Amino acid sequence: AQRVTQPEKLLSVFKGAPVELKCNYSYSGSPELFWYVQYSRQRLQLLLRHISRESIKGFTADLNKGETSFHLKKPFAQEEDSAMYYCALSFSGGYNKLIFGAGTRLAVHP
Amino acid sequence: KAGVTQTPRYLIKTRGQQVTLSCSPISGHRSVSWYQQTPGQGLQFLFEYFSETQRNKGNFPGRFSGRQFSNSRSEMNVSTLELGDSALYLCASSPDRAGTDTQYFGPGTRLTVL
Repeated sequence: AQRVTQPEKLLSVFKGAPVELKCNYSYSGSPELFWYVQYSRQRLQLLLRHISRESIKGFTADLNKGETSFHLKKPFAQEEDSAMYYCALSFSGGYNKLIFGAGTRLAVHP
Repeated sequence: KAGVTQTPRYLIKTRGQQVTLSCSPISGHRSVSWYQQTPGQGLQFLFEYFSETQRNKGNFPGRFSGRQFSNSRSEMNVSTLELGDSALYLCASSPDRAGTDTQYFGPGTRLTVL
C-alpha cells in the first residue's frame, strides 16, 4: 500500500536558518510527489512537484528513489514561510488520488 | 480563472441527520476529488469523479457518497451523521490530462456534528 511519512509534527527555526522538512514514501512503482502548503487562513495550495523540478519561493525538493524520500529544503528561512506543509503522493492508475503525509508545521521565528 | 468554490463554508448538524456539500471546479477541469481533513486522521481521500463517473473511492463507509454533474460540479452527501464526521471537507479539481495532475483545492466546508 502507498504511504507517506512526515516524521516531524513541528519544525521551529530562526529567520535565516536553513530548513529541511522530511518526507519518506512507500510505493513500489514510480510515484508522482508533491509538496502542498497551507498558510494561515488560506486554502491548501501546491508548492512544488518533483516532475517540474522548479524552485518555488526558494524551496527545492529532490526525489531520491533509493531512499524513497522527497525532502523539502530552503537555505534561508523567512518568517512568511511559517505554514503547514504536506507531502503527497499520487500514482499512475490512482485517478488523481493524493495520499498525504500528516504534515509538518514550520514556525520561523524572528 | 476563478478558483474552486465550495458551499456552504460552515455547517452545523445533529447526529442522524444528512448533509450535502457542493463543489464547483475551476472552469475546464473535469476531475473532482473530495478529501476529509481531521486533526486525528489528517487528509484522507474520499472519492474522485470524472465525467460523472466515480473512478476511485477511499476507505469510507457507504454513508459517504457523491456525484458529479455534466458541468463537472460535484456534490457529496453524508447520511446518518455521526460525531466523528465533524471535519473540514475539501474539494479539489484538476484538468486530468494524465491522472496525476496538480490538484487545486477549494477553501473547504467545515462540518460540525452535535
